[in-house]
Amino acid sequence: DSGVTQTPKHLITATGQRVTLRCSPRSGDLSVYWYQQSLDQGLQFLIQYYNGEERAKGNILERFSAQQFPDLHSELNLSSLELGDSALYFCASSGIPGQTFYGYTFGSGTRLTVV
Amino acid sequence: DQQVKQNSPSLSVQEGRISILNCDYTNSMFDYFLWYKKYPAEGPTFLISISSIKDKNEDGRFTVFLNKSAKHLSLHIVPSQPGDSAVYFCAASGLSTRGSQGNLIFGKGTKLSVKP
Repeated sequence: DSGVTQTPKHLITATGQRVTLRCSPRSGDLSVYWYQQSLDQGLQFLIQYYNGEERAKGNILERFSAQQFPDLHSELNLSSLELGDSALYFCASSGIPGQTFYGYTFGSGTRLTVV
Repeated sequence: DQQVKQNSPSLSVQEGRISILNCDYTNSMFDYFLWYKKYPAEGPTFLISISSIKDKNEDGRFTVFLNKSAKHLSLHIVPSQPGDSAVYFCAASGLSTRGSQGNLIFGKGTKLSVKP
C-alpha cells in the first residue's frame, strides 16, 4: 500500500457520459498530480494541484477538469467521454512541489473503459 | 515531441545476469532523472534517481548512470532476479518542466522479463 488511494479501481461507462475519479494523497503530502496512461503510451501528465490551488497543467482536454478539496483529496472529472479516453488514470502525491529527487508516490490507478 | 525516450519496448535477461535499461532525453535543462518500476495492476513505484551533477548513483543491486554529453541514462540491475520482471519507466524533471508540462516527464517504458 503506497498510501495514495484511488477509487474506483475499475470503471466501465458509455460514450458521452461523465465520470469522477477520486484520489486521496499520502498523509502529509500537499501536492497531487494526475497522469493518464493509454495503451502503449507512457504516463502523460494532466494536471497538478498544490494545497488546493492549480499549480501546473499538461495536455489536459477541455472536457476534463480537476480540483483539490480542503481535506487535500482530489477529483478528476471526465465528461463527454469518447472511446479514446479509455486508459489508466493515475494519481500521485508529493510533499513539496518541484522536489522531484525522491519521486512521487503513485496510487494503483483507475482503469476507465469507455464502450 | 517526446522529450524522454525509451527505445526498447522489451528486454529479456537470464536470472543472475545484468539487466541494462536505456533512456535518452532531448532537453538539456533536465536536472533530475528517475526510474520507476511498475507491476501489473499496481501504480509505478519509485526506484532510484540521479541529479544532473552526478554521473552515477547506486542503491543495492540498482545503479543509474548518467551521460550528459550524450543525453543518455541507463539503469543497471545486478544480479537480475525473477522478481525484477516489471515495466521500467524513465522520467525527467527540470525547471523548464515545472510549468505547463508538470514536474515529471515519463518515457513509454521498457518491459523487463527475467527468466529463471
